[in-house]
Amino acid sequence: GDSVTQMEGPVTLSEEAFLTINCTYTATGYPSLFWYVQYPGEGLQLLLKATKADDKGSNKGFEATYRKETTSFHLEKGSVQVSDSAVYFCALSLMKTSYDKVIFGPGTSLSVIP
Amino acid sequence: DTGVSQNPRHKITKRGQNVTFRCDPISEHNRLYWYRQTLGQGPEFLTYFQNEAQLEKSRLLSDRFSAERPKGSFSTLEIQRTEQGDSAMYLCASSPGGRKGDRVTYEQYFGPGTRLTVT
Repeated sequence: GDSVTQMEGPVTLSEEAFLTINCTYTATGYPSLFWYVQYPGEGLQLLLKATKADDKGSNKGFEATYRKETTSFHLEKGSVQVSDSAVYFCALSLMKTSYDKVIFGPGTSLSVIP
Repeated sequence: DTGVSQNPRHKITKRGQNVTFRCDPISEHNRLYWYRQTLGQGPEFLTYFQNEAQLEKSRLLSDRFSAERPKGSFSTLEIQRTEQGDSAMYLCASSPGGRKGDRVTYEQYFGPGTRLTVT
């Protein structure tokens, strides 16, 4: 079935370190891919998205490239800040007959220390 | 309208009691989704409305769960005879779309969630 796998956390980095969070997916069909972020006590916010192979989504210094050949959508940021501490969810979306089916990964918790 | 809102934000109830949560989507969005999120996991789909019609339900949605969207605007999720296993964050999301022949995937906008604790 359709699924998303993420690297296990928690991940702890020092400020200004390079971040990579791996994400791979399995899907029947041609999904759109997303990264959502959840700050403590808040709902999910869309961080970035890509809708077709080789698309690069980017926002707030974060980037991810849709790699169809490796079924991956790894999240990267060159220099993390303390304010980036949150839980990051990789997700895929497939168009069904009447709605968009979204499947989330388990999330990766990131803590950035000064 | 600044986004999806949910009420209450927190609910503590005793096992066996009924609870009801409310979601107000972004006003022009005709699609509305409910998800459940347990600790350390990503959200899991529960049910979907297009306008007032409930078009999809997950197998996670047992008979004790019911959702409505009576006028195609706000939605309620009711859990009857709550169990400790119902303790979770319940998230609502909305999106545009739903026109016949639509072949575009629409971003879902999430509310802050209702955290349910069943004691």
